[in-house]
Amino acid sequence: DIVLTQSPATLSLSPGERATLSCGASQSISTYLAWFQQIPGQAPRLLIYDASNRATGIPARFSGSGSGTDFTLTISSLEPEDSAVYYCQQRHSWPRITFGQGTRLEIK
Amino acid sequence: EVQLVESGGGVIQPGGSLRLSCAASGFTFSRHNMNWVRQTPGKGLEWLSYISLSGNIIYYADSAKGRFTISRDNGKSSLYLQMNTLRVEDTAIYFCARETYYDIGGFDRFYFDYWGQGTLVTVSS
Repeated sequence: DIVLTQSPATLSLSPGERATLSCGASQSISTYLAWFQQIPGQAPRLLIYDASNRATGIPARFSGSGSGTDFTLTISSLEPEDSAVYYCQQRHSWPRITFGQGTRLEIK
Repeated sequence: EVQLVESGGGVIQPGGSLRLSCAASGFTFSRHNMNWVRQTPGKGLEWLSYISLSGNIIYYADSAKGRFTISRDNGKSSLYLQMNTLRVEDTAIYFCARETYYDIGGFDRFYFDYWGQGTLVTVSS
C-alpha cells in the first residue's frame, strides 16, 4: 500500500498566521490527492481535490499544491474555526485508498 | 442538502455480527459510488469497502475481506455494511462516504465529497 506521511503531527499558530501542512507519499501518486478537515465529533469535510482544486464552498484561504510525492496544504490567514485535524488521502492505488495519519492544527 | 446518516452501531461481543446502515438524502443516490471508511485512534482513517452505482462492482480492504459485506438499495437510498465475526480490533467509528466524479483536464477522477457523522462500533467482552 502507498503510505502517506503527514508533518508536522501538531501545529499551534495564532489567528491571522499562515499554516503549512505537508503530506509525503511513499511513491509517486501524480496529483491524485485530496485534503480533508475534521473537527472533533464531526464528519470529515473535503477541502481540496486533485492536489490543488478547492471543493465547493471552501474559503479561498485554503489552497493545495504539489504532485508526485510531495504535497502541501496552505491556510493563508488562520481563523479560529480552522482548529481541526487535517488528513491527506491518495487514490492513485484505487481501490486501495490510503490516508495520512493527520496533522492537528490548534489555533491559540 | 446532502445528508448521510449512519446507524446500527453499538456494543457487541467478539465473534458477533452487526449490520450498519447509511441513509442518504438530498441527492440522487443511484448516481454515486459509495464507500465505508472507519476511524480508530490507533490506525486513523482506514478505507474498508467500495460499491459501484448498481452494486455490480465491489471491493474490500484486506481487513474486511471475508467478514464484511457491502450492499446498497437504490430504491431506499441506503447503503449497508454487514459485519460478521467481529474482533476487538474492529472497534472504531464507521463512516459512509459518497464519491463524486470530477473531470480534471480530461482525466476521470473520483473523490469522497460527503461523509456521514459516523456510528460507533465497540467490540468487547
